[in-house]
Amino acid sequence: KAGVTQTPRYLIKTRGQQVTLSCSPISGHRSVSWYQQTPGQGLQFLFEYFSETQRNKGNFPGRFSGRQFSNSRSEMNVSTLELGDSALYLCASSPQAMSSYEQYFGPGTRLTVT
Amino acid sequence: SQQGEEDPQALSIQEGENATMNCSYKTSINNLQWYRQNSGRGLVHLILIRSNEREKHSGRLRVTLDTSKKSSSLLITASRAADTASYFCATDAKGSARQLTFGSGTQLTVLP
Repeated sequence: KAGVTQTPRYLIKTRGQQVTLSCSPISGHRSVSWYQQTPGQGLQFLFEYFSETQRNKGNFPGRFSGRQFSNSRSEMNVSTLELGDSALYLCASSPQAMSSYEQYFGPGTRLTVT
Repeated sequence: SQQGEEDPQALSIQEGENATMNCSYKTSINNLQWYRQNSGRGLVHLILIRSNEREKHSGRLRVTLDTSKKSSSLLITASRAADTASYFCATDAKGSARQLTFGSGTQLTVLP
């Protein structure tokens, strides 16, 4: 099976812009989760989608949003970018509820906000 | 906030030696998972141990879980240079918010 893919791999944006990141899970996986990784805060959970519904949400402002399509592909959107949003954004998929199963991570999207 | 905290933050050993990393957490859990991350890349799942399990093995990896002490350890035996990576524990805490909370990680360097 193909692994989790994320596009784009690298992105440079300007403060105030918005950005959309994409994640394609492993075929058959219904849960997609998003994480933000920074040197200062480490790995932080953003949200989980399961069957097109947001199941859980981490402690992030409303500028961070996401959605999941019927084919389980997911997108994450960040509006009004801030310098502090520079990070590695990782998505992960699992067959069912993500906290009960191992997560399969994609390679990440490196976002730089200038 | 981070549920799991790894110890030590950094560990440097020679090839062939064993490496032990520890994870402590604060609240009761459903399960605990260990992941490896090579520099700037995605995470790779290593082992999932459930709260009713005390020990699990996978190849050169051994994970223990002590729910009374709220701690877990990851042992890598006969380490190789390719084991150089960051290792994270992640906990699925009991309660309403079912999400994985990652610790700050242990940076392991295996010297050839």
